[in-house]
Amino acid sequence: EAQVTQNPRYLITVTGKKLTVTCSQNMNHEYMSWYRQDPGLGLRQIYYSMNVEVTDKGDVPEGYKVSRKEKRNFPLILESPSPNQTSLYFCASSFIGFANTGELFFGEGSRLTVL
Amino acid sequence: EDKVVQSPLSLVVHEGDTVTLNCSYEVTNFRSLLWYKQEKKAPTFLFMLTSSGIEKKSGRLSSILDKKELSSILNITATQTGDSAIYLCAVGGDNNAGNMLTFGGGTRLMVKP
Repeated sequence: EAQVTQNPRYLITVTGKKLTVTCSQNMNHEYMSWYRQDPGLGLRQIYYSMNVEVTDKGDVPEGYKVSRKEKRNFPLILESPSPNQTSLYFCASSFIGFANTGELFFGEGSRLTVL
Repeated sequence: EDKVVQSPLSLVVHEGDTVTLNCSYEVTNFRSLLWYKQEKKAPTFLFMLTSSGIEKKSGRLSSILDKKELSSILNITATQTGDSAIYLCAVGGDNNAGNMLTFGGGTRLMVKP
């Protein structure tokens, strides 16, 4: 089954404790992206990747890191989480040129709480 | 900076009502406008619009783009409780090297029995 898998789905952590949210897709997509969703703000892009070893900042990259060592994986790293990073996070993937197809596939979301 | 604004923020209707959701945008080098439905989990794709005036339709849902007004509407007729969700509008542009989608804040629709 074609899917984007995120882990963990739920996490409560404390300020400053490094964490990684994993994202994996099995559709051989070149493009992968991380979004955060906060009430009233919609989805805001954190980082995206056009292919292996190619990453770039989105609208709200501060406090986050990513890596793309393999095509299928795109982990989101919070080196020193802070309470303002409490949010619902979505990973998404597509073939390059998704704006012409609309087929951006989303993971199920990871709800992160930073105390 | 690209911007997408949706209205209303939230809406409560009764089953059988017709609703119209709005999306307006300012984006560099517009490529497409997309509508997504988000229930409890991940957003799921509804429509992609690239040309003005051409209605896309899927069952009771339809959408149309007006490039002159930089806006789109999503219509849902004969609403059902299963239509309750957040509806997200996203606009794709070429404002940098990547395939950027800018999302609006969403419209939360609640359909009461």
